[in-house]
Amino acid sequence: GAGVSQSPSNKVTEKGKDVELRCDPISGHTALYWYRQSLGQGLEFLIYFQGNSAPDKSGLPSDRFSAERTGGSVSTLTIQRTQQEDSAVYLCASSSGTSGYTQYFGPGTRLTVL
Amino acid sequence: AQRVTQPEKLLSVFKGAPVELKCNYSYSGSPELFWYVQYSRQRLQLLLRHISRESIKGFTADLNKGETSFHLKKPFAQEEDSAMYYCALKETSGSRLTFGEGTQLTVNP
Repeated sequence: GAGVSQSPSNKVTEKGKDVELRCDPISGHTALYWYRQSLGQGLEFLIYFQGNSAPDKSGLPSDRFSAERTGGSVSTLTIQRTQQEDSAVYLCASSSGTSGYTQYFGPGTRLTVL
Repeated sequence: AQRVTQPEKLLSVFKGAPVELKCNYSYSGSPELFWYVQYSRQRLQLLLRHISRESIKGFTADLNKGETSFHLKKPFAQEEDSAMYYCALKETSGSRLTFGEGTQLTVNP
């Protein structure tokens, strides 16, 4: 079946602009995660959704970062007033009890802030 | 706080040689450990998890709680094993994964 999809695949923006990144999880997966993959930083957890609620948002690096999930499906990660240090690959993953809670990852969105 | 350490950023072996990718963790509870792999131009995917105690693509990993390690091993490396490997930890009561910084494995012909 279809895996996790993310859009756009690449995004180039100017410092100070807002960006929105989208994640479509595997159908039926109740849990959704956002991670960030930066050079020299590895993979960092950002936020976790169970349904439409976010019980763990402790990884969001600043109040410029926010995320929402609607209908227990699509999620959007928004970064306001982007900075150069926000440049990274943003990964989305989803999981469910039927998958043994294994997290399945999307292809990522590469964000470049000029 | 939990932490995962992969001491080798780069590892290079010849085809047919044994390979071991090291992973150490610090966590006070009983963690669940995973190895994820990312082949060139592909997405991150699960290779194996310790609770399954299975061998995938010839790879095995044993959780050693005494040494807080979860090293990934394969007796005879193949060129197609060349990839980035990440060790990850999930807390007992949590959902997030904490990743190591990854090891880039290159298997030379």
